[in-house]
Amino acid sequence: AQSVTQLDSQVPVFEEAPVELRCNYSSSVSVYLFWYVQYPNQGLQLLLKYLSGSTLVESINGFEAEFNKSQTSFHLRKPSVHISDTAEYFCAVSDRSGGSNYKLTFGKGTLLTVNP
Amino acid sequence: DTGVSQNPRHKITKRGQNVTFRCDPISEHNRLYWYRQTLGQGPEFLTYFQNEAQLEKSRLLSDRFSAERPKGSFSTLEIQRTEQGDSAMYLCASSPDVIYEQYFGPGTRLTVT
Repeated sequence: AQSVTQLDSQVPVFEEAPVELRCNYSSSVSVYLFWYVQYPNQGLQLLLKYLSGSTLVESINGFEAEFNKSQTSFHLRKPSVHISDTAEYFCAVSDRSGGSNYKLTFGKGTLLTVNP
Repeated sequence: DTGVSQNPRHKITKRGQNVTFRCDPISEHNRLYWYRQTLGQGPEFLTYFQNEAQLEKSRLLSDRFSAERPKGSFSTLEIQRTEQGDSAMYLCASSPDVIYEQYFGPGTRLTVT
């Protein structure tokens, strides 16, 4: 079984400030890691993923996340946020072996609010 | 690629009524998942289809819930004798066999009064 903890339910920041959204997971098996974003009144969109290789992964809109196996973390960062980044962000894991049919286990989400 | 679609987008029903939701996955995606998202929570897994076979059901899926995926294409999720606790966003996601991320639809928001 897996679990995901997103340590902050809400993160308010000012525009152009840096931000870090924290995610820790617990699992008895190796996992794939994902960040999804949900804009108001929209479905979940994949932001970035860690499957293998470099532990630092980047998205096309400036977000990055680093997989830290020893700390079982996958924190999301952006050096300078925009108003348009206001959304709810979900961290998720799935069993790498496929034993759980690759279903996703999500955290409770972090609401990022970017203020002018 | 038109994305995952779900219908209806919103459903308001009275307690005790039956409701059915539909999900159309991305074409040729063999894997199809249903999740439920309540206010302030992340999505929780309900059930999984590989083509037309329902291979996994969560304990969250009580006997009042049933899901089908005839011919391995679209899927339906039916809730019988709805209860107020069933009020939630129901999300559908699909993925092809060789890719591990899932593509989500916009969801169906159910309100049981």
